[in-house]
Amino acid sequence: GENVEQHPSTLSVQEGDSAVIKCTYSDSASNYFPWYKQELGKGPQLIIDIRSNVGEKKDQRIAVTLNKTAKHFSLHITETQPEDSAVYFCAASIRFSGGYNKLIFGAGTRLAVHP
Amino acid sequence: GAVVSQHPSRVICKSGTSVKIECRSLDFQATTMFWYRQFPKQSLMLMATSNEGSKATYEQGVEKDKFLINHASLTLSTLTVTSAHPEDSSFYICSARTPGRGLYNEQFFGPGTRLTVL
Repeated sequence: GENVEQHPSTLSVQEGDSAVIKCTYSDSASNYFPWYKQELGKGPQLIIDIRSNVGEKKDQRIAVTLNKTAKHFSLHITETQPEDSAVYFCAASIRFSGGYNKLIFGAGTRLAVHP
Repeated sequence: GAVVSQHPSRVICKSGTSVKIECRSLDFQATTMFWYRQFPKQSLMLMATSNEGSKATYEQGVEKDKFLINHASLTLSTLTVTSAHPEDSSFYICSARTPGRGLYNEQFFGPGTRLTVL
């Protein structure tokens, strides 16, 4: 079936360094790729997304890149801060029979930013 | 981003009882809502997709008679866990997708409900 692979599963960086999380997807028809941040005991929060008609999107310290040919997309966080510590999930939209869409999630990356 | 609320945030119940969880989109109308289940340190597992005014579409392996979903209005969906057992204990999260046509639209999550069945 369709799947999304996410790496690494854990990432530890020093405050101020950059963090990169990578995902690959299997369905070439996927056209929407959101990233979510989940803090302990809370629901996921949409932090940035990208659609298949663009290759890069940036919002302050976070950016996402998309390579449709290789079917992979990445999250880049620059100048990391301790409050960036959380679990990050990537996702890709999948279109199923019946015409409805849903998101397929990666396994998550636990990011720890050390002061 | 848009706001999705969930109630209750935590519930503890006895085995055999039923529990209802509410999900509301506060500042937009959601024609489609989703219910997820999440085990500790794991990813989000989609349980069902709920469209306003129609029956929910359940994922393979999810018992529709066990997890009753009602999407009665454009801002409210409910999940009822019937005859709950300890193995139903989990973190349940709802999500609502903003309306629109064309490419996939943004999907926002509620804060989650921690269910503990004794």
